[in-house]
Amino acid sequence: DAGVTQSPTHLIKTRGQQVTLRCSPKSGHDTVSWYQQALGQGPQFIFQYYEEEERQRGNFPDRFSGHQFPNYSSELNVNALLLGDSALYLCASSSPGQRNTEAFFGQGTRLTVV
Amino acid sequence: GDSVTQMEGPVTLSEEAFLTINCTYTATGYPSLFWYVQYPGEGLQLLLKATKADDKGSNKGFEATYRKETTSFHLEKGSVQVSDSAVYFCALFTSGTYKYIFGTGTRLKVLA
Repeated sequence: DAGVTQSPTHLIKTRGQQVTLRCSPKSGHDTVSWYQQALGQGPQFIFQYYEEEERQRGNFPDRFSGHQFPNYSSELNVNALLLGDSALYLCASSSPGQRNTEAFFGQGTRLTVV
Repeated sequence: GDSVTQMEGPVTLSEEAFLTINCTYTATGYPSLFWYVQYPGEGLQLLLKATKADDKGSNKGFEATYRKETTSFHLEKGSVQVSDSAVYFCALFTSGTYKYIFGTGTRLKVLA
């Protein structure tokens, strides 16, 4: 089992550009959540995708958008990048069939905006 | 809203010392509680969890007990090793909210 895989591992972008991050969930999982972890902080919930739709969203602007594909993989898109978007972006997958579901996290994508 | 408060770090201990990292929470429902660990340059790994009051989660010598009366989930280990050096995150998850709420993390450094 490959677990949750994210790509790329590192990325450097310029202010104003757009970026796409990718996530493949753990085998058997159908729900993908994205988190932003700024340096020295805990992860902050961005949004969650289930059945190819955004089910819940955290307190992030519309510049952050996502997509889930029929194979349950997901993308996170960020438009008009700001310096403050520099962070580790974590993908987590879970199976909502369990009441107190445990999420499995990927290694993350380190985004640096210059 | 729901929240998690962790003790500030860094925590520096000598090898074989006793570890406690405090965590308290605020939640409107009945959350599950978790401790995640993050090693340098890596993502989050689940360390242990507890899904209801008085449950004790344990793994790799670490343990934490879900205390509803004090809304706490303190992490303990009787004898730390250098390899335990990492950042530890306390988190809660409430069914129906679909998201984890994390604390700010506590950095642990264990010296040989």
